[in-house]
Amino acid sequence: GAGVSQSPSNKVTEKGKDVELRCDPISGHTALYWYRQSLGQGLEFLIYFQGNSAPDKSGLPSDRFSAERTGGSVSTLTIQRTQQEDSAVYLCASSVSGGGTDTQYFGPGTRLTVL
Amino acid sequence: QQPVQSPQAVILREGEDAVINCSSSKALYSVHWYRQKHGEAPIFLMILLKGGEQKGHDKISASFNEKKQQSSLYLTASQLSYSGTYFCGTDDEGSSNTGKLIFGQGTTLQVKP
Repeated sequence: GAGVSQSPSNKVTEKGKDVELRCDPISGHTALYWYRQSLGQGLEFLIYFQGNSAPDKSGLPSDRFSAERTGGSVSTLTIQRTQQEDSAVYLCASSVSGGGTDTQYFGPGTRLTVL
Repeated sequence: QQPVQSPQAVILREGEDAVINCSSSKALYSVHWYRQKHGEAPIFLMILLKGGEQKGHDKISASFNEKKQQSSLYLTASQLSYSGTYFCGTDDEGSSNTGKLIFGQGTTLQVKP
């Protein structure tokens, strides 16, 4: 079946512009995660959605970052007034029901470059 | 708190074994292991649960220490396809069990012919 998909695969933007990154989770997965991976670094948790519950936003680095998940499926991560330090690969993952025992399946990521 | 992985990098010959460690200052509810090749998404390898259960790969094994603060990933008879960066993601015991993983900085493994 189809895996997690993300779009665009690459995004180049100018400092100060807003960007939107999209994630389509695996069908039927109720949990969705966003992570950020800077060059040569590990994955940094950003935000977590589980069903209709309020999202866990504890990993968002600043109020320029926001995310929403519509209809319990597709999610959009928005970065406002982008800065050069926002340059990274943004990865989305989904799992069947969330929780520490669930496998998270990752998408291919969106590589964001802020000039 | 971010777990610490060791070693940072390993170079092996095909057929050799390797161990990658992941240490936390807290007891862990679960440890998730992933492998990532350059420019690709992380691929799931294994989950270790505090109760001793394992879910994952049949050619790779892993363990928890007694205090559930360290996990080790065992790669035996390594193949060229094992090359990549290995990440552990930890879910602290006592958390809300959201599956929110804190990842280590990664261990780069290179297998040479």
